[in-house]
Amino acid sequence: NAGVMQNPRHLVRRRGQEARLRCSPMKGHSHVYWYRQLPEEGLKFMVYLQKENIIDESGMPKERFSAEFPKEGPSILRIQQVVRGDSAAYFCASSQQLGHLFTDTQYFGPGTRLTVL
Amino acid sequence: RKEVEQDPGPFNVPEGATVAFNCTYSNSASQSFFWYRQDCRKEPKLLMSVYSSGNEDGRFTAQLNRASQYISLLIRDSKLSDSATYLCVVNGPAYSGAGSYQLTFGKGTKLSVIP
Repeated sequence: NAGVMQNPRHLVRRRGQEARLRCSPMKGHSHVYWYRQLPEEGLKFMVYLQKENIIDESGMPKERFSAEFPKEGPSILRIQQVVRGDSAAYFCASSQQLGHLFTDTQYFGPGTRLTVL
Repeated sequence: RKEVEQDPGPFNVPEGATVAFNCTYSNSASQSFFWYRQDCRKEPKLLMSVYSSGNEDGRFTAQLNRASQYISLLIRDSKLSDSATYLCVVNGPAYSGAGSYQLTFGKGTKLSVIP
């Protein structure tokens, strides 16, 4: 039973390029969360999605960042026109259908480490 | 004030020692509480949930005091393999009227168990 999968594991981009990060949730999970961890900082919530719906994007920067979770395929976190401050580890987590309830457990993927040159 | 605040660490302890981590949270609407561990450059992994009655899992004991908004984790007989960063995590609405809950992470406390 594969866990949460993320790719790529490492991504290098130059300033101004686009970064696309992918996340496949655990089998049977329909809720996906994205978090960002800056160097020497804690994880910060970015966005919560269900299939074809953004439930909560209160942690997403207003510009350049977008996320989707299509009916088929992985969830995508897209960062346009990357800047050096976007360099961080981006973690995806998934949970079962009880995603909105406080008792739900989130399982994390291995993360994508984005480096912006 | 930080939403979830932990001891700054790092904690360097010998094998076999008992070590305690403390955590406070600011959001009184928080509903569930966890300790995760994160190894260097890896993803967070759930260590244990924390209940008001306190709970124990082998060498690990977690306590929650809702009135004080305080969470603790005790590790007894520490092993080399316990070396990691321990993250205090709180689940609750990010703001009044929010339709979903969010996990809020502390910055973590680094533990190094020394032979």
